[in-house]
Amino acid sequence: EAGVTQSPTHLIKTRGQQATLRCSPISGHTSVYWYQQALGLGLQFLLWYDEGEERNRGNFPPRFSGRQFPNYSSELNVNALELEDSALYLCASSGGTNQPQHFGDGTRLSIL
Amino acid sequence: KQEVTQIPAALSVPEGENLVLNCSFTDSAIYNLQWFRQDPGKGLTSLLLIQSSQREQTSGRLNASLDKSSGRSTLYIAASQPGDSATYLCAVGDSNYQLIWGAGTKLIIKP
Repeated sequence: EAGVTQSPTHLIKTRGQQATLRCSPISGHTSVYWYQQALGLGLQFLLWYDEGEERNRGNFPPRFSGRQFPNYSSELNVNALELEDSALYLCASSGGTNQPQHFGDGTRLSIL
Repeated sequence: KQEVTQIPAALSVPEGENLVLNCSFTDSAIYNLQWFRQDPGKGLTSLLLIQSSQREQTSGRLNASLDKSSGRSTLYIAASQPGDSATYLCAVGDSNYQLIWGAGTKLIIKP
């Protein structure tokens, strides 16, 4: 069984640009979660999608947005990139709210 | 506001020892609690999930306990091995199904 896959592995952007990160969940999982892991700040919840709908959102500005497609894959968009957006972005999927979350290896976003 | 604390921040022990990692949380109204490990530069691997109604879960050499009333969970690792070296993260699930994370315990097992 394939795990959660994220692309790209690394992404380098400059301030003001826009970034798109992609995530494919484990087959059969309908929930996708996005987290930010910035150096020294730990893991912060970003977004939760289930059945194509945004279910919950963390304390991040509106320039962080995303969507979930009919095949349950998801993308995270970050507009007007700032230096502090440099982080490892992790995607997780689960088969339900009381099921474990399984993580991909992340996309490392670097803002120059 | 839920806060999750992990102590110690780092731990170094010789191979073969049994060890305990601690996780505490401030609000006992949790949905579940998960333990993860993270290897350097990698994503997270789910180790154990304890539902709020459960007291413990076991998987191989790992045992996790949950005491909601005292706001604590422990992860017990038996007969530690060098391959257990990683950062261990505790995450509490709240009623909005959002995971609140501890800062982690960096574990080094010395051969």
